[in-house]
Amino acid sequence: IAGITQAPTSQILAAGRRMTLRCTQDMRHNAMYWYRQDLGLGLRLIHYSNTAGTTGKGEVPDGYSVSRANTDDFPLTLASAVPSQTSVYFCASSDEPGQGSNEQFFGPGTRLTVL
Amino acid sequence: GQNIDQPTEMTATEGAIVQINCTYQTSGFNGLFWYQQHAGEAPTFLSYNVLDGLEEKGRFSSFLSRSKGYSYLLLKELQMKDSASYLCAVRDGDYKLSFGAGTTVTVRA
Repeated sequence: IAGITQAPTSQILAAGRRMTLRCTQDMRHNAMYWYRQDLGLGLRLIHYSNTAGTTGKGEVPDGYSVSRANTDDFPLTLASAVPSQTSVYFCASSDEPGQGSNEQFFGPGTRLTVL
Repeated sequence: GQNIDQPTEMTATEGAIVQINCTYQTSGFNGLFWYQQHAGEAPTFLSYNVLDGLEEKGRFSSFLSRSKGYSYLLLKELQMKDSASYLCAVRDGDYKLSFGAGTTVTVRA
């Protein structure tokens, strides 16, 4: 693995189903993030984690949950998918938040369609 | 809340210069970022400003005025491969990024 990976690449899901989007990074970054990107709205933060064992809510957390059991993995779960969750989901990671530039590195994204 | 504004679209000719403006109103400020995103791909980091002034990196430059809540990204000697969306993002007092909706730049031959 090099950088940050996401799975699946794309998914079509029936409304009401449970879905987990996977994200793994091998850069030993402390902080990880989940965003959704919708046309005309830009990237919006769903949940974040500043270090393993801690998580926090972003701008649009409703309907989503996350866990951070270790440094590398940060899965995003939709407990009961709804059509408004149709979007492109990006996972990102960065070194210590607030230190220097510490830009976020983004995964390739997951395109999710909820019917 | 956060409010970050940038133009929706811009078009320019190959070899020309384009300036993408970004204005922001955020709760706290810990730096401003510009990202490039080609269609269907992930955003990639271009530049970071935390102090007022101009940061130059090859053909790309970024400017920040904290007192005016204003930044711009300058793309010089435009190439066809520069056709992409450019995202302005502000890191707030809690060190989280808020993104503008992005500016789609189309470079024409």
